[in-house]
Amino acid sequence: AQTVTQSQPEMSVQEAETVTLSCTYDTSESDYYLFWYKQPPSRQMILVIRQEAYKQQNATENRFSVNFQKAAKSFSLKISDSQLGDAAMYFCAYSSRNQGGKLIFGQGTELSVKP
Amino acid sequence: DVKVTQSSRYLVKRTGEKVFLECVQDMDHENMFWYRQDPGLGLRLIYFSYDVKMKEKGDIPEGYSVSREKKERFSLILESASTNQTSMYLCASSLNPGREAFFGQGTRLTVV
Repeated sequence: AQTVTQSQPEMSVQEAETVTLSCTYDTSESDYYLFWYKQPPSRQMILVIRQEAYKQQNATENRFSVNFQKAAKSFSLKISDSQLGDAAMYFCAYSSRNQGGKLIFGQGTELSVKP
Repeated sequence: DVKVTQSSRYLVKRTGEKVFLECVQDMDHENMFWYRQDPGLGLRLIYFSYDVKMKEKGDIPEGYSVSREKKERFSLILESASTNQTSMYLCASSLNPGREAFFGQGTRLTVV
């Protein structure tokens, strides 16, 4: 069965600095998708970034980028120029067509941003 | 704008009651999901559905059942609520496995 692991329950970053959140996953499939979601105190989950496993190029969305290492089954999220509004719970997630669209999440990392 | 609407934000039920949590999406999405969220455990998948009347167990289906009679509606049923089912419940939908999932606002259920 596929699993997603986030080993950092909490992280902290100074405003304007860069922080990296870690995620590893376990799968025997070659075609899958990876996501980072953000959950602010409002509880509304928001997609931050997605990566298709067949693409070697790392996805980027403005200040957010990923380091996708397929062989190592690692998918870390880098937040550059951190802002106070980035403070939230971040979840890594996995999905694949072979599993019928089952979407599996990690345990989450709570990010705090210090002014 | 995609909307996923959960019927209640807060719910208090008594032990042994049958509880229905309703979720409706308005974007004709194929996939729908129910998760429970607990501190330190992340989002754990209870059930998901990839089509009308189709359902698959997730990682923690015990004590729960689901119903998807119409494409837009996915209901989570607690057959006999217990205190260990006190949690935050999140519903989500997506068009297909590679696409973004959209979430409801969550239902915080307390079983007393």
